[in-house]
Amino acid sequence: AQKITQTQPGMFVQEKEAVTLDCTYDTSDPSYGLFWYKQPSSGEMIFLIYQGSYDQQNATEGRYSLNFQKARKSANLVISASQLGDSAMYFCAMREAKTTDSWGKLQFGAGTQVVVTP
Amino acid sequence: DAGVTQSPTHLIKTRGQHVTLRCSPISGHKSVSWYQQVLGQGPQFIFQYYEKEERGRGNFPDRFSARQFPNYSSELNVNALLLGDSALYLCASSLSWGPQETQYFGPGTRLLVL
Repeated sequence: AQKITQTQPGMFVQEKEAVTLDCTYDTSDPSYGLFWYKQPSSGEMIFLIYQGSYDQQNATEGRYSLNFQKARKSANLVISASQLGDSAMYFCAMREAKTTDSWGKLQFGAGTQVVVTP
Repeated sequence: DAGVTQSPTHLIKTRGQHVTLRCSPISGHKSVSWYQQVLGQGPQFIFQYYEKEERGRGNFPDRFSARQFPNYSSELNVNALLLGDSALYLCASSLSWGPQETQYFGPGTRLLVL
């Protein structure tokens, strides 16, 4: 079963506007972590932001914020003031903590392609 | 400081051959994980190593193997290559091994199997 669902295959956003990328997840583990990564066309996955399942506050890192709604099992990424360099594929990922052999395993969604236009 | 480095950047092999991919973690990082990313999909977890021991394994056949060296660098080996092994292979490193660790990725090795 799909653990991470990203329903938006692609989206266009104008420079300086905010954009929200959707992510829903499925787990029965009470302890888990949620991550967002950016992958430009060069291929490298760039870490953006992390949210732990027990964190009370939504995570923020510069222009990135994570809208964490635990009861709805959603972890949407908000990029404020989009820049041309934000054009890339964005992946949501989850790591469960129930067993030690899952500690290193990130489970990724299919990604959302973002194109920022001038 | 240098990030995660991987070599080679690109590789072309034919079916049935063997391939070795290499990864050097960020200085001070002791854990390395390997992922396979097929075109149009998210990465799939292959292995994690910490302190030279395998700590996690994904759903990949035994043709895939890996190891970690005393300097924390790692190799991923794939035997009897199939066309379906064509993918971007990503290496990620983290400081340690635990449920809170963040993984930092390298630029990947693009493997094409003909």
